Amino acid sequence: NAGVTQTPKFRILKIGQSMTLQCAQDMNHNYMYWYRQDPGMGLKLIYYSVGAGITDKGEVPNGYNVSRSTTEDFPLRLELAAPSQTSVYFCASSYINLAGDGDTQYFGPGTRLTVL
Amino acid sequence: KQEVTQIPAALSVPEGENLVLNCSFTDSAIYNLQWFRQDPGKGLTSLLLIQSSQREQTSGRLNASLDKSSGRSTLYIAASQPGDSATYLCAVREVEYGNKLVFGAGTILRVKS
Repeated sequence: NAGVTQTPKFRILKIGQSMTLQCAQDMNHNYMYWYRQDPGMGLKLIYYSVGAGITDKGEVPNGYNVSRSTTEDFPLRLELAAPSQTSVYFCASSYINLAGDGDTQYFGPGTRLTVL
Repeated sequence: KQEVTQIPAALSVPEGENLVLNCSFTDSAIYNLQWFRQDPGKGLTSLLLIQSSQREQTSGRLNASLDKSSGRSTLYIAASQPGDSATYLCAVREVEYGNKLVFGAGTILRVKS
């Protein structure tokens, strides 16, 4: 049981380049999330998904896009990378039932992205 | 808008000391509160989860309390060890934004041997 996996671990991009951060979970969780963590700050939500085919914006979605074609995978796409997107990106997943009861969120190891 | 504050921002203690980390939140309408541990360059590991109807949770040397009405939680670490050195993050789960977690900025703990 791998939990939540993320690739790559590190990446350096030039301004204007694009890339996709991969995230996968093998726990059959319905909810998946992308957060970013800037130095000395808490994590902020970029996008989330409540199930395959359903995604929605979080607090800081500008400059990012997501898709969720399967329960397991939730890739994050950066278009036209900017220095402000230099951060550590975390993917997370959890199971929440129809009553709103849920377990903890499980986090991946993160992707450290630098945009120069 | 929910805001989570953690005090202190950093803490350095000698090994064996008992310590308390504080977390406060502005909106008491939460599902639950979690304490996470983050080691440098690593992801987050959940330590304790307290449902909104609960007052405290315990796991080994860790005890977390929740006072929802006053918007406060504390994480108590007994007999601290150098291996406890890490950043400790407090997060509350909200209903909006897909049951997202709102995080504090964390407390950086260093336990000296």
